Amino acid sequence: EMQLLESGGGLVQPGGSLRLSCAASGFTFSSYGMNWVRQAPGKGLEWVSSFTAGGGSTYYADSVKGRFTISRDNSRNTLYLQMNSLRADDTAIYYCAKSPPAAAIDYWGQGTLVTVSS
Amino acid sequence: QPVLTQSPSASASLGASVTLTCTLSSGHSTYAIAWHQQQPEKGPRYLMNLKSDGSHNKGDGIPDRFSGSSSGAERYLTISSLKSEDEADYYCQTWGTGLRVFGGGTKLTVL
Repeated sequence: EMQLLESGGGLVQPGGSLRLSCAASGFTFSSYGMNWVRQAPGKGLEWVSSFTAGGGSTYYADSVKGRFTISRDNSRNTLYLQMNSLRADDTAIYYCAKSPPAAAIDYWGQGTLVTVSS
Repeated sequence: QPVLTQSPSASASLGASVTLTCTLSSGHSTYAIAWHQQQPEKGPRYLMNLKSDGSHNKGDGIPDRFSGSSSGAERYLTISSLKSEDEADYYCQTWGTGLRVFGGGTKLTVL
């Protein structure tokens, strides 16, 4: 059974750092692009970052560029998001999601909540 | 990059049908999209991938009541025989080189 399990969320002060993890199982992790998508309270879905399969290219939304870093460990079937210089407007549920190459997201994790507040 | 436009809200009666619309921005009318459902207090769920010719591939376990179609820059999600559990937010999503783009979402109310 396919599964994406996020962890690492929590309460952090503005300017702080947090690292999210997403443990994948039930599919060939290395063959898929992986994504982070967030949802602020009461708001819609916002794409944050992607890491392609194979070539290993990374992409970021302008809102997080220079502050967040996406990485993956194919030997551990795990996706990461290192978040630095956190701001109040980064407060959201962060979802991990997989996508076939050059295709839409086709599976989501259950999300982990990040709260940035003093 | 493409922009996706959705109406903020829609409503329909129990047992009826409803069609939600997602419009691609100018110059992007041939893009495929995906539809995702988010029920209250839950994470998103992939419904289907929908191409410009109207062909679509649904996710595992998605009922036949859900179907997709296309016309020009518009992508449609039709839900027939509405049930109470269909009350949810529906998002369309497309992609560019490495990027993912979401529409603003449509909140569907089942009356």
